[in-house]
Amino acid sequence: DVKVTQSSRYLVKRTGEKVFLECVQDMDHENMFWYRQDPGLGLRLIYFSYDVKMKEKGDIPEGYSVSREKKERFSLILESASTNQTSMYLCASSLYIRGNTIYFGEGSWLTVV
Amino acid sequence: DAKTTQPNSMESNEEEPVHLPCNHSTISGTDYIHWYRQLPSQGPEYVIHGLTSNVNNRMASLAIAEDRKSSTLILHRATLRDAAVYYCILRDLSGAGSYQLTFGKGTKLSVIP
Repeated sequence: DVKVTQSSRYLVKRTGEKVFLECVQDMDHENMFWYRQDPGLGLRLIYFSYDVKMKEKGDIPEGYSVSREKKERFSLILESASTNQTSMYLCASSLYIRGNTIYFGEGSWLTVV
Repeated sequence: DAKTTQPNSMESNEEEPVHLPCNHSTISGTDYIHWYRQLPSQGPEYVIHGLTSNVNNRMASLAIAEDRKSSTLILHRATLRDAAVYYCILRDLSGAGSYQLTFGKGTKLSVIP
């Protein structure tokens, strides 16, 4: 079974702090994604990566950056956390960029106070 | 990706079969039908997918109508752990579809002991 592991399930951070969310997948997938999920808004794509050191902006990249130094690891960085970034963050990976099954991590619940 | 329509909620008694319907009248020839589910406070979990023929795996069965305009996810014996929101989505494997994953509202399945 594919395993996508997110490093933190629950975090509480202060406004202005730099926040790192780490994600690791064990299936040698080329593509990795970061989404956020908010009630009533569904899943929204923040960034995705189709190869090491490659990244593309999704629909809501503002206030976020990403890093992919190794194929199995994709990090989401909140440069200066704000209260409107309180959300559930989901990392995912897939073999192909389009059309293929996407495997999700368990999610990271971030609260910014 | 083409749109799908699902009932907002369904109920089932424990250990009885559950049939979760999905309509996708604008499906194209290269769209795969995927089902995911999301348990409370968890990331979405892949359940099953298919193109034309009915599919079975250890979690569920997928019955696809002959004209492919609808499909049904079948849980053969519902357990309390199957209580979740079930999402039916179409994924275009031809490369023409979007990498964005639009889940919609899904069907909230309640399982009654």
